Amino acid sequence: ETGVTQTPRHLVMGMTNKKSLKCEQHLGHNAMYWYKQSAKKPLELMFVYSLEERVENNSVPSRFSPECPNSSHLFLHLHTLQPEDSALYLCASSQDRGPWPQHFGDGTRLSIL
Amino acid sequence: GENVEQHPSTLSVQEGDSAVIKCTYSDSASNYFPWYKQELGKGPQLIIDIRSNVGEKKDQRIAVTLNKTAKHFSLHITETQPEDSAVYFCAASPFAGGTSYGKLTFGQGTILTVHP
Repeated sequence: ETGVTQTPRHLVMGMTNKKSLKCEQHLGHNAMYWYKQSAKKPLELMFVYSLEERVENNSVPSRFSPECPNSSHLFLHLHTLQPEDSALYLCASSQDRGPWPQHFGDGTRLSIL
Repeated sequence: GENVEQHPSTLSVQEGDSAVIKCTYSDSASNYFPWYKQELGKGPQLIIDIRSNVGEKKDQRIAVTLNKTAKHFSLHITETQPEDSAVYFCAASPFAGGTSYGKLTFGQGTILTVHP
């Protein structure tokens, strides 16, 4: 149990569907992150939220839309995705926005048909 | 921006041997260096980290060394066990303080296999 819970664990969707990924952290942290992990590529940072404010959008296409309603919850809304978006999406949290250890969830395995 | 190179990409050892994974970074402003272990079907788990004001840190069978001059850091696992088999990632983060944040840049990963 890492203290960071991601749902669903697996998701298969068509290119025209709309779905959302959910992340919840029980660690009392103030910063949350979305990462994309593709085969044979380093983890790619997508978004960073600190105290519910987005502080980084790492050139992510608009078909990915994050939402952070409070410091414990983070969502990634998906629409009109492409086959190359199939990957493992990881959520992480840290104590604060500084160089603190980031704690990861087990990810959502996303497959785009 | 920061660039982190990690070697080797795969490493195979016998149980009881030591394993060493090396990373180099490009941004001299990086001051935080964590290592993560990722098992199949799981997210990355932090196993050890080091900050730039320290040259070495040890936690039981795991140690990390940092050479700021050469801009490289290494993970050392002694007395390896089959349960150490996993993918290991290094990362580096610069942090200037204030309103900035510590963006982690990850290496490409090392697949470690420990044979019984």
